[in-house]
Amino acid sequence: EVVMTQSPGTLSVSPGERATLSCRASQSVSRNLAWYQQKPGQAPRLLIYGASTRATGIPARFSGSGSGTDFTLTVSSLQSEDFAVYYCQQYKNWPPSLTFGGGTKVEIK
Amino acid sequence: QVQLQESGPGLVKPSQTLSLTCSVFGGSISSGGYFWSWIRQRPGKGLEWIGYIFESGSTYYNPSLRSRVKISIDTSKNQFSLRLSPATAADTAVYYCARDAGWGAPYNWFDTWGQGTLVTVSS
Repeated sequence: EVVMTQSPGTLSVSPGERATLSCRASQSVSRNLAWYQQKPGQAPRLLIYGASTRATGIPARFSGSGSGTDFTLTVSSLQSEDFAVYYCQQYKNWPPSLTFGGGTKVEIK
Repeated sequence: QVQLQESGPGLVKPSQTLSLTCSVFGGSISSGGYFWSWIRQRPGKGLEWIGYIFESGSTYYNPSLRSRVKISIDTSKNQFSLRLSPATAADTAVYYCARDAGWGAPYNWFDTWGQGTLVTVSS
């Protein structure tokens, strides 16, 4: 099983600042990496797939990068609605393999 | 826009069967190409994919849960269901149904999610 490790566990950022979240895979997943945002009491919301493609309706301040084992989600200028928990997820088409990271909580500094 | 809604008992006794249903609104579950998944989130832990089903009834399960899981589909009711047996306290979680973003083949990432339902396994 591919183990996904996210860091840091919690990130304290002031509104308007940049947030950089990391995700590392225990083995190469190529660019098969998605990012989700989850707010309390809500389901995860897809932000990024294919390591760097924004999902429909996702603001341009969210960007993803990386390949192989190391990936980054950047939020260029944090808005109040961006404070949430972010998860990365690796995927392999066949046989299906999907695992999520433990999450990074982005909180107001 | 398709919406998903989970339903089922919020409390299940250990050794019994955990059963949930996901209703699909705003589109047909048999529209020809989507894969439908169950994902859970245990308290204080991350997300865990349980498995998926295609409209034909074809399934694939997470190997760690395969021996206890069954996912089924009822196209006449526009629903798909999860059965997990026997349930243990470790199955206490928020359970989400979700639609795979792929069409015709699973992409194994998810663009549509239900709101989630908490299931507690306890006597």
